[in-house]
Amino acid sequence: DGGITQSPKYLFRKEGQNVTLSCEQNLNHDAMYWYRQDPGQGLRLIYYSQIVNDFQKGDIAEGYSVSREKKESFPLTVTSAQKNPTAFYLCASRPGGGGSYNEQFFGPGTRLTVL
Amino acid sequence: GQQVMQIPQYQHVQEGEDFTTYCNSSTTLSNIQWYKQRPGGHPVFLIQLVKSGEVKKQKRLTFQFGEAKKNSSLHITATQTTDVGTYFCAGPGSNYQLIWGAGTKLIIKP
Repeated sequence: DGGITQSPKYLFRKEGQNVTLSCEQNLNHDAMYWYRQDPGQGLRLIYYSQIVNDFQKGDIAEGYSVSREKKESFPLTVTSAQKNPTAFYLCASRPGGGGSYNEQFFGPGTRLTVL
Repeated sequence: GQQVMQIPQYQHVQEGEDFTTYCNSSTTLSNIQWYKQRPGGHPVFLIQLVKSGEVKKQKRLTFQFGEAKKNSSLHITATQTTDVGTYFCAGPGSNYQLIWGAGTKLIIKP
């Protein structure tokens, strides 16, 4: 089955620790995105990547980092510099490369709690 | 910067009543997309509207795109418990990002 996987579903970390969230897709999509969602809120864009080895900051990139070494994978690192990291993190991908506004497909998300 | 405003934030309805959510953009949109997020779940694409004045139906859901392509609405007729969730609109931004509305949460009163 094609899709987007995020692991783990729930993640607990101590304050001050970096943590990396996994996002893998086998849809052969060019573009991938990371969003943050706080309770009762909408989606805020953290980082996005249109193509391998290239990514851009979204609206709330401070305290986060990403890499895009493979088309299938777009891991997100939440660093200790992120002041309020507890949130629901959603990864998405989109077909069509950089020239279209196709729908985005979402993974199931990772709920990060920093204690 | 470009914004997509969505209202209301919440709507409580009795099962069987209708539900409507509205989106307004600060700029003309080439298209608008609608997504549904069930409680505890992830957003799932519902539809994309492209043409001025376009109306599309999916069973009890009716989607409209305004003539000026700056507003859109989603109307659900005779809500059911399966409709519960948050409905988001999203319009294209720069660099092929999506600009998301804040969402409207549909709550069915017991």
